[in-house]
Amino acid sequence: EVQLVESGGGLVQPGGSLRLSCAASGFTFSVYAMTWVRQAPGKGLEWVSTISTGGGSTYYADSVKGRFTISRDNSRNTLFLQMHSLRAEDTAVYSCAKPLRSNAFDFWGQGTMVTVSS
Amino acid sequence: EVVMTQSPAALSVFPGESATLSCRASQRVSSNLAWYQHKPGQAPRLLIYGAYIRAAGIPARFSGSGSGTEFTLTISSLQSEDFALYYCQQYNNWPLTFGGGTKVEIK
Repeated sequence: EVQLVESGGGLVQPGGSLRLSCAASGFTFSVYAMTWVRQAPGKGLEWVSTISTGGGSTYYADSVKGRFTISRDNSRNTLFLQMHSLRAEDTAVYSCAKPLRSNAFDFWGQGTMVTVSS
Repeated sequence: EVVMTQSPAALSVFPGESATLSCRASQRVSSNLAWYQHKPGQAPRLLIYGAYIRAAGIPARFSGSGSGTEFTLTISSLQSEDFALYYCQQYNNWPLTFGGGTKVEIK
């Protein structure tokens, strides 16, 4: 059974940092590109970042470019999102997602809440 | 950036009736279009990918159509469990983009 379990969210002050993790199981993690998607309170889904299978290629939404870094550890089947210079508008539930093919996502985690507030 | 526009924003339907949801892309995305169902407190569920291919385990009452810039999700004979938010997403271009969603409500 495919499982994606996020952790690392919490309350952080503006300008602060957080590191999110996504523990994957039930599939061969290393052969899939992986993605972070977020949903702000009362808003829709927003793609945040994608990383290739080996980590050599990364893609970011303009809203997070230069502040967030996606990475992965295939030996630990874990995806990460390092977030710096956090802003109030980064407040959201952050979920990791596995693609079925291309970038249509067939499995999502339940998400971890990040609240940026003073 | 490809802007995805969904319409209507909300749709009230009697159980047993059908619902037609639209998704328009600001530029051509070929057939690289997915539909998701999202319920509060749950992870999004992939319904359709490749514009018209049902994902595993998705009932036949869900069907997708379209290509290029105009796409449609049709839910025939709505069941109680189908009342939810629905999002389209293009994966033809970076950045990946989602539509704003259509809420399907019970009439």
